[in-house]
Amino acid sequence: AQSVAQPEDQVNVAEGNPLTVKCTYSVSGNPYLFWYVQYPNRGLQFLLKYITGDNLVKGSYGFEAEFNKSQTSFHLKKPSALVSDSALYFCAVSTPDDMRFGAGTRLTVKP
Amino acid sequence: DSGVTQTPKHLITATGQRVTLRCSPRSGDLSVYWYQQSLDQGLQFLIQYYNGEERAKGNILERFSAQQFPDLHSELNLSSLELGDSALYFCASSHRQGSGELFFGEGSRLTVL
Repeated sequence: AQSVAQPEDQVNVAEGNPLTVKCTYSVSGNPYLFWYVQYPNRGLQFLLKYITGDNLVKGSYGFEAEFNKSQTSFHLKKPSALVSDSALYFCAVSTPDDMRFGAGTRLTVKP
Repeated sequence: DSGVTQTPKHLITATGQRVTLRCSPRSGDLSVYWYQQSLDQGLQFLIQYYNGEERAKGNILERFSAQQFPDLHSELNLSSLELGDSALYFCASSHRQGSGELFFGEGSRLTVL
């Protein structure tokens, strides 16, 4: 079965430092991988996706993600964190019929 | 604004009651997904419809049902409500299945007292 795992419930970084939110996946065949962000009392917003091609995917708000097939990982990164990046981040894998989400990682960026 | 509209935004009801949540997908999107988000269980996939037909079922209880109408809007019916059904219910839509991203509504917050 297709699934993703987010090993960290919480990530704390200082403003201006690089951030990484981790995701590993388990899929059969080629994975379609996504990152979404959820701000308080809002729906999820699409950040970026990997379908095929370049392993480094660039997305919204300066975020990027690196697809690593050998490590079955799809970590979300940003070179310099902002306080406004504080939110809940979800990794997801798409199947032909649905999209399955990880448990989410709460990112807190401190001034 | 994602283009996905969910109503009502908030709903408070009592145990044993029945409620209906409504979702209008983005214009042109044929797929509608329903998710339940609770504090202790993250984002749980409930069910997906594509152009009026049920395509996939996740962890949806038998007390819950859904449908997608010819105009592509969808409704999620929750009956015999229990305290544990209190959650945020999200609808999302997509233009195509598989490689397309989902666009989420703002959610319907259900509180069962």
